[in-house]
Amino acid sequence: ETGVTQSPTHLIKTRGQQVTLRCSSQSGHNTVSWYQQALGQGPQFIFQYYREEENGRGNFPPRFSGLQFPNYSSELNVNALELDDSALYLCASSLVPPDPGANYGYTFGSGTRLTVV
Amino acid sequence: DAKTTQPTSMDCAEGRAANLPCNHSTISGNEYVYWYRQIHSQGPQYIIHGLKNNETNEMASLIITEDRKSSTLILPHATLRDTAVYYCIVRRGGSQGNLIFGKGTKLSVKP
Repeated sequence: ETGVTQSPTHLIKTRGQQVTLRCSSQSGHNTVSWYQQALGQGPQFIFQYYREEENGRGNFPPRFSGLQFPNYSSELNVNALELDDSALYLCASSLVPPDPGANYGYTFGSGTRLTVV
Repeated sequence: DAKTTQPTSMDCAEGRAANLPCNHSTISGNEYVYWYRQIHSQGPQYIIHGLKNNETNEMASLIITEDRKSSTLILPHATLRDTAVYYCIVRRGGSQGNLIFGKGTKLSVKP
């Protein structure tokens, strides 16, 4: 079984630019989440996509947007980059079962290190 | 905000058991306790989870108190490769149960 892969691994952008980060979910998973991890902090939830629709969002502005494709891969787009957007961006995938109260786990990728200068 | 409280750092001797505590006094009845760890420059790795009962797998054991207000992750024979930040997380089930991370516990396993 394949894991979660993210690309690129490292990226440097200039303030005000736009960036797209990509994630390929683990085979068979139907949900993808994105997290931002600043240096020395725990990951912070950005949003989650379930069956190609956003179904949860953390405290991030609208310039953070995403897509989930039919093959369950995903993109995170950030517009108008700010210096504080410099962080490790993590993608996590999971298989959410039909039972609304059921438990499930997440598999994380190794992340994309974004530096905004 | 994270619903858990963990010590900032802990040390453990190689080969000894590492016991990592976590307080989650406001946990709800439908929320699970999860443990993840993050080795430097990698994504978080799932370790174990539980609801009410104690759990054990090939990596660790999870002991949850009867009132569910705290738990302990036990690594029975810590190795140098277990040096990492360990996150205790409570989350509900269902499709919207995202993970809310705190700052975790930095575990240093020393020879």
